[in-house]
Formats: sequence, structure tokens, C-alpha cells
Amino acid sequence: GQQLNQSPQSMFIQEGEDVSMNCTSSSIFNTWLWYKQDPGEGPVLLIALYKAGELTSNGRLTAQFGITRKDSFLNISASIPSDVGIYFCAGQLLSGGSNYKLTFGKGTLLTVNP
Amino acid sequence: DVKVTQSSRYLVKRTGEKVFLECVQDMDHENMFWYRQDPGLGLRLIYFSYDVKMKEKGDIPEGYSVSREKKERFSLILESASTNQTSMYLCASSLDGRAFFGQGTRLTVV
Repeated sequence: GQQLNQSPQSMFIQEGEDVSMNCTSSSIFNTWLWYKQDPGEGPVLLIALYKAGELTSNGRLTAQFGITRKDSFLNISASIPSDVGIYFCAGQLLSGGSNYKLTFGKGTLLTVNP
Repeated sequence: DVKVTQSSRYLVKRTGEKVFLECVQDMDHENMFWYRQDPGLGLRLIYFSYDVKMKEKGDIPEGYSVSREKKERFSLILESASTNQTSMYLCASSLDGRAFFGQGTRLTVV
């Protein structure tokens, strides 16, 4: 299946630092989503992006839909211990009959040291 | 808020058993999905359904089947469970491209 390249795989930061992670793809997407997953739980939707160039914020989180439609980034400002978890990007393909199918990156494991 | 509910958080089954994983959503979403999640492999799509009684294979359908008799319910069936199906199973439903997940079912096949 389709693959999204998500980086970095893991990050270890100090409380208060800013964080940036990104996803790239060889395919064009018409929707980018960012999720956070706590241990033993299902992923929770953080931000949804629908237009190329769109920049959207949700509290301390900011995400952007790349102009080429092939990438997206997520920034977390002033990290706190509860930001710990795995962050996933997901893209919805523009072309093809299965355009309701999402493809996921492999996740970024974030650890925040108090 | 959208609510996607999976019937069990934890299951332990024996090799060869038939296993049913149930998922219910309360937002009248047309699209529903089953994923499995394994360390280092991320989320992999098993099956999805875009309408009642409609289904399509995802990336790893082998060993699984699904049932969607009602819009709100999407069931994943392991016809004969094997140890390599030990995993975290996640159900999701979607609207306007946004997918909402259940809490997950941790299945162990012994």
C-alpha cells in the first residue's frame, strides 16, 4: 500500500521546548490529518487540513498542508509532560475510487522530560 | 462528539478459534474501517466499508473477513485465529475525510 514518510521516528525534549515533525509522500493528498495516541488507547484527531497552504492551530498545536499537497508538518509549542505520546500523520488520496481511504505514517514517539 | 465503541478492550483467544471484534459508531458515518497496529509497522488497513453490505479489502485482508449489516456496526471476523494475529485492532469511522477511532482491542492469540 501507499506509504507516508514521517520523521523523526522519536524525539526526546525538555519541558517547555518547541517540537516539529513532518510527513512527506510521493502522492498528492486532498486531506491531511494529525493524530495523537496515548499508550493502550486509540488515536485521537488533533487537526484536519483540507487546502494546500492551509495553516491551522489547535491550542499549542499548529499544522500546515504543504503547497505541493505532498507534505505536512505539525508544531507543538512550549511542550508539557502530557504531550507525551505517539503522533501520526494521515493522508487521504486525491485520485482513485478509494478516495475515502486514509494512509498513515509510522508515527513519531515524543518523550518530554519534566 | 463522535463516539466509536469497540466491544472489548482486551481479548485472549486460542489458536483456531473464530473471533468476532465488534465496532459501533453513533454519528451515522458511511465509512468504517478496521486497522491493526503493530510495533514498527504502524497502522495497516485490513478492510473498509463505504456503505451497508459494501466492503473492500485493505492492504492486509488475508485471514480476516468483515460484516456490515447495519450502518452503525462494522464487525471484523478472524475465521481461525493464529498467533500472528496477536495485535492491537482499531476501528474507525469517517466523515469529510476525518477518521475517528475507537479505544482499540488488544487481542492475544495463544
